[in-house]
Amino acid sequence: AQKVTQAQTEISVVEKEDVTLDCVYETRDTTYYLFWYKQPPSGELVFLIRRNSFDEQNEISGRYSWNFQKSTSSFNFTITASQVVDSAVYFCAPHILTGGGNKLTFGTGTQLKVEL
Amino acid sequence: DVKVTQSSRYLVKRTGEKVFLECVQDMDHENMFWYRQDPGLGLRLIYFSYDVKMKEKGDIPEGYSVSREKKERFSLILESASTNQTSMYLCASSSGGTKPPYFGPGTRLTVL
Repeated sequence: AQKVTQAQTEISVVEKEDVTLDCVYETRDTTYYLFWYKQPPSGELVFLIRRNSFDEQNEISGRYSWNFQKSTSSFNFTITASQVVDSAVYFCAPHILTGGGNKLTFGTGTQLKVEL
Repeated sequence: DVKVTQSSRYLVKRTGEKVFLECVQDMDHENMFWYRQDPGLGLRLIYFSYDVKMKEKGDIPEGYSVSREKKERFSLILESASTNQTSMYLCASSSGGTKPPYFGPGTRLTVL
């Protein structure tokens, strides 16, 4: 059985601080994908990134970076120089293949609050 | 841009009523999903569909049913609404494979 854990329920930082959101995904599958989504106060989920289990290179997009380590089952997300607009709930979501299609299951999310 | 729309942003219903939540996508996506979101529980998958008239149960299908008669439309049905179905309901669609689902704005349902 698969299990995704976002142990941090809520994180508060001051603007311009770096912050890392943790995600641990436990599975016996050797091939899988992991997604990160952002849910701002408006409520609509926004897709951020998709990574597969074969690629352990860090990925950087502007102030966002992702570190995937298969050995520890972790797929962490770092925001550099955080801004108030980064305040949101962030979800880690493993992709699971089923007989008829694909589906995402979601972690419980991490609420990030960035204050001035 | 992918557009996923949901029929209502806010809905208030009474216990025992039959409730329909509608979702429409305009990108010819094969897969469509219904999730509910509750504080501390994240998003939980209710049902999904990978083709017209095809459906598959998610993690919490009890008390719900779905209908997909046309590719662009996926309906969630609460046959007899109960107070524990008060929640935020999110619809999503994807083009299949490992493509990311795109989400609608959500419907906040309150059952009194």
